[in-house]
Amino acid sequence: QSALTQPPSASGSPGQSVTISCTGTSSDVGGYNYVSWYQQHPGKAPKLMIYEVSKRPSGVPDRFSGSKSGNTASLTVSGLQAEDEADYYCSSYAGSNNKVVFGGGTRLTVL
Amino acid sequence: EVQLVESGGDLVKPGGSLRLSCAASGFTFSNAWMSWVRQTPGKGLEWVGRVKSKTDGETTEYAVPVKGRFTVSRDDSKNTVYLHMNSLKTEDTAVYYCTIHGDFGRFGSWGQGTLVTVSS
Repeated sequence: QSALTQPPSASGSPGQSVTISCTGTSSDVGGYNYVSWYQQHPGKAPKLMIYEVSKRPSGVPDRFSGSKSGNTASLTVSGLQAEDEADYYCSSYAGSNNKVVFGGGTRLTVL
Repeated sequence: EVQLVESGGDLVKPGGSLRLSCAASGFTFSNAWMSWVRQTPGKGLEWVGRVKSKTDGETTEYAVPVKGRFTVSRDDSKNTVYLHMNSLKTEDTAVYYCTIHGDFGRFGSWGQGTLVTVSS
């Protein structure tokens, strides 16, 4: 059982928007603005897409955006493209000596 | 360009030990905090442990499932971080990734991973 809760799957058609949720507690997601999101294609290492809730690393398209309300963070992918089909994982700083917790992952399917 | 190259993954029996290595290049390794993250087959990611830079005390921290069995260490002269794994259990079977532990748990760079299989 993962520390953060994500839906196992999400889907959308090309051009549409999809939002993936990530629910934690006041000890992680709700307590800090340090939520990250990772994209992982099959057989590849995870790639950082969002950090500190809503910031994008250089090179990540602005179609990817993040937000947070209370104990739940969200990743929105707008203008879905075929290459966005992947697994997405959230993570959060959990205080207490810089520990980190992950969600169980969401498989995004582009229909 | 940042590069992280893990090695050392193998098939090991329950109760056995293994040491993973991660060779780093393309950044100032001695200033970096380093973490190990694992991914069980077909499942999600799990943070395993972290070592701070020598400047920050080279202290370590571990996830509960591995605390007391795993040790993260570093050799700045070799730009290498290690994961020493003892008393291995079948549930430790996973791909182990080396990552740069950025501010507040941001993992911006990952290696390609190395597979550890614990089975009799």
